[in-house]
Amino acid sequence: DIQMTQSPSSLSASLGDRVTITCRASEGISHNLVWYQQKPGKAPKPLLHAASRLQSGVPSRFSGSGSGTDYTLTISSLQPEDFATYYCQQYTTYPWTFGRGTTVEVK
Amino acid sequence: QVQLQESGPGLVKPSQTLSLTCTVSGDSINTGGSYWNWIRQLPGKGLEWLGYISYSGNTYYNPSLESRLTISLDTSKNEFSLRLTSVTAADTAVYFCARQLKAYDDLWGSYRVFDYWGHGNLVTVSS
Repeated sequence: DIQMTQSPSSLSASLGDRVTITCRASEGISHNLVWYQQKPGKAPKPLLHAASRLQSGVPSRFSGSGSGTDYTLTISSLQPEDFATYYCQQYTTYPWTFGRGTTVEVK
Repeated sequence: QVQLQESGPGLVKPSQTLSLTCTVSGDSINTGGSYWNWIRQLPGKGLEWLGYISYSGNTYYNPSLESRLTISLDTSKNEFSLRLTSVTAADTAVYFCARQLKAYDDLWGSYRVFDYWGHGNLVTVSS
């Protein structure tokens, strides 16, 4: 299985901060990566596919980049609704696998 | 608007079979390019993909669960189901059903995304 390692596991940030989350795959995944946002008691919501392509309706303050094994999710200016847990997921090879999540908390 | 809704028991005894159903509205389960998935979230932990069934009835299971897992389709009811046998406390989790769309992006070509999810069904395995 492809292991997805996210860092940090949690971070504290303030409104307006720029936040970066990293996801590293145990082997190359050729941009076949989705970023999800999950709030407590809710299902995950997709933010970006193909590592950097915004899903319809997702604010442009979310962006993604990376290649090979290393990918990042950036929130350019943190908003109140962005405090949540973020997961990466690869769809290069079965079984599809997720990172362990990064929780963005209020500083 | 596509909606998915899980249904099933919230408590299952060890060694018994966990059965859940996902009812789909706003989309036909026969739609080409859609894959109907089960994903679970272990308490305080991350997400684990369990498997899918395609619109044509083809299945793919996570090898870690393959010997215990069956996913089936009922097109007449527009729903799909999960059956997990010989459960233990380690199977206690929130179980989500989700649609995975296989679509096309101008820049990167084919991609897949879990775009619609159910609300989740907490299943506790306990005697």
